[in-house]
Amino acid sequence: AQSVTQPDIHITVSEGASLELRCNYSYGATPYLFWYVQSPGQGLQLLLKYFSGDTLVQGIKGFEAEFKRSQSSFNLRKPSVHWSDAAEYFCAVVPWEDYKLSFGAGTTVTVRA
Amino acid sequence: GAGVSQSPSNKVTEKGKDVELRCDPISGHTALYWYRQSLGQGLEFLIYFQGNSAPDKSGLPSDRFSAERTGGSVSTLTIQRTQQEDSAVYLCASSLSGAGGGQPQHFGDGTRLSIL
Repeated sequence: AQSVTQPDIHITVSEGASLELRCNYSYGATPYLFWYVQSPGQGLQLLLKYFSGDTLVQGIKGFEAEFKRSQSSFNLRKPSVHWSDAAEYFCAVVPWEDYKLSFGAGTTVTVRA
Repeated sequence: GAGVSQSPSNKVTEKGKDVELRCDPISGHTALYWYRQSLGQGLEFLIYFQGNSAPDKSGLPSDRFSAERTGGSVSTLTIQRTQQEDSAVYLCASSLSGAGGGQPQHFGDGTRLSIL
């Protein structure tokens, strides 16, 4: 069955430390891949997307993600987190020729001082 | 520029009442989507509009849910005879186009619906 998995429900990280959020997908062909962030009471903001080409993509707010076809993964990273990065992060996919976003369950990030 | 606008931001209503949620997409975006975010189910697709094509209603959970899009712009999601399980955040998104090409979807801040 097609699915998007975010294995970590909650991650706590110290301010200034690095952050990595995991995402794995199970689809017949590589879908379009996205990461969104949601702050409390807000909608979803697009951080970055992968369609094809360079497997390391840069996004907003200093985030980057690496696509690994062999592992069916699209992990999100940030070298140094800020307190404002505390939020919920969603990995999402759209299969080719489709339009419906399928989301992972989300990872909540807490940043401690 | 202006993003996706949703109203109301919060809605509290009694079980059995009808509610209407509104979405105003980004100007020039031909595709419009509704999703529901609830504690038990996560983020779920509800309905998709693309231009003048027939909408994809495959994600609507029951016939109490309906949606329309007038003039290819503003959309209204209506829930009739609300039930407590309808309590959720309803998110609207729009994109430049729909299927194929993986156009990123841009989301509004949502309507938080609470059924008493």
